[in-house]
Amino acid sequence: DAGVTQSPTHLIKTRGQQVTLRCSPKSGHDTVSWYQQALGQGPQFIFQYYEEEERQRGNFPDRFSGHQFPNYSSELNVNALLLGDSALYLCASSAPGTSGRETQYFGPGTRLLVL
Amino acid sequence: RKEVEQDPGPFNVPEGATVAFNCTYSNSASQSFFWYRQDCRKEPKLLMSVYSSGNEDGRFTAQLNRASQYISLLIRDSKLSDSATYLCVVNPMNTGFQKLVFGTGTRLLVSP
Repeated sequence: DAGVTQSPTHLIKTRGQQVTLRCSPKSGHDTVSWYQQALGQGPQFIFQYYEEEERQRGNFPDRFSGHQFPNYSSELNVNALLLGDSALYLCASSAPGTSGRETQYFGPGTRLLVL
Repeated sequence: RKEVEQDPGPFNVPEGATVAFNCTYSNSASQSFFWYRQDCRKEPKLLMSVYSSGNEDGRFTAQLNRASQYISLLIRDSKLSDSATYLCVVNPMNTGFQKLVFGTGTRLLVSP
């Protein structure tokens, strides 16, 4: 049973460019969350997708957008990249449920470097 | 004030030692609590959930004090393989949706 997968593993972009990161959730999971982890910091919640809709959003600008597909996979798009967007981008998936205690399983992340 | 605060460490301990990590959270309405472990340049992995009554998993014991908004993790008989960053995590949502808020992590180094 494959866990959460993300692509690409590493990416180098320049300021002003746009980037798309991809995530496939663990089998049986329908909810995908995205996090940004800067060096030396804990992950910060960007947004969560469920039933192809964004249902929660953290304190990130509109340059960060996403999408969820019918097969529950997801994309994170970042426009007009800034140097400060350099980070590890983590995708996490969780099983159906509304208790708030569902375990989130993280993928290996995409390391983005903006030059 | 940060939503979840942890001592960043590092905590340097010898094998076999007992070590405790503490964490405080600011949102009194928070519903669920976790400890995640993150190895260098890897993704976070769930170590254990934290329940109001306290819970134990082998060498690891987690405690929650809702009145003080305080969470702890105790590791007994430390192993070299316990070296990692331990992230205190809170779900502040009371709607059933899960939005995890992470502390900055506490780094543990266990030496021979």
